[in-house]
Amino acid sequence: NAGVTQTPKFQVLKTGQSMTLQCAQDMNHEYMSWYRQDPGMGLRLIHYSVGAGITDQGEVPNGYNVSRSTTEDFPLRLLSAAPSQTSVYFCASSYIRTGGFGYGYTFGSGTRLTVV
Amino acid sequence: GDSVTQMEGPVTLSEEAFLTINCTYTATGYPSLFWYVQYPGEGLQLLLKATKADDKGSNKGFEATYRKETTSFHLEKGSVQVSDSAVYFCALTAGGTSYGKLTFGQGTILTVHP
Repeated sequence: NAGVTQTPKFQVLKTGQSMTLQCAQDMNHEYMSWYRQDPGMGLRLIHYSVGAGITDQGEVPNGYNVSRSTTEDFPLRLLSAAPSQTSVYFCASSYIRTGGFGYGYTFGSGTRLTVV
Repeated sequence: GDSVTQMEGPVTLSEEAFLTINCTYTATGYPSLFWYVQYPGEGLQLLLKATKADDKGSNKGFEATYRKETTSFHLEKGSVQVSDSAVYFCALTAGGTSYGKLTFGQGTILTVHP
């Protein structure tokens, strides 16, 4: 089925470890983004990309890196995991249309990360 | 900056009750407005949207009207079902320096009892 695929679904890391959360979409969406979801805080934007080779920071970028080498993939790297990065991570994608993002976004099913 | 404020939850209703979840926003220009729903253990799904003032978004019996004069986008459903139990997020995306960024409210947990 077309959509946004995230792997893994669950992950436990020790403090200081690094890892990459994978995100892939097969809808040829130009725009991709990463959010983290924390209780009572909704979702907050970490990084986003408007096309291959172009990335930018969102609201909470510290401790995370991204790259966009292809239209389909947008991995999120945790450089040195900290307990404060325990969260649920969502990848989302969208077309970029003239006049804005009125089509809405397609979200992956999420990665639940625990840092101990 | 842009912001979205949702009514405090959780909300608990009996089946067939009327639902309203309030959402107000602050944004420059003319944002697009969305309601997303998250069922337990799943990602977010777009429930409905509106892209300009006075537009009414609707889906699965849910409705919301883009009210620019009151900067609101309240979610309503006339008769809720147990299967509507989920977390509901109001969100917006605006132009300018916020291009492409979805700004979310904190979410409202809805529980519907038989």
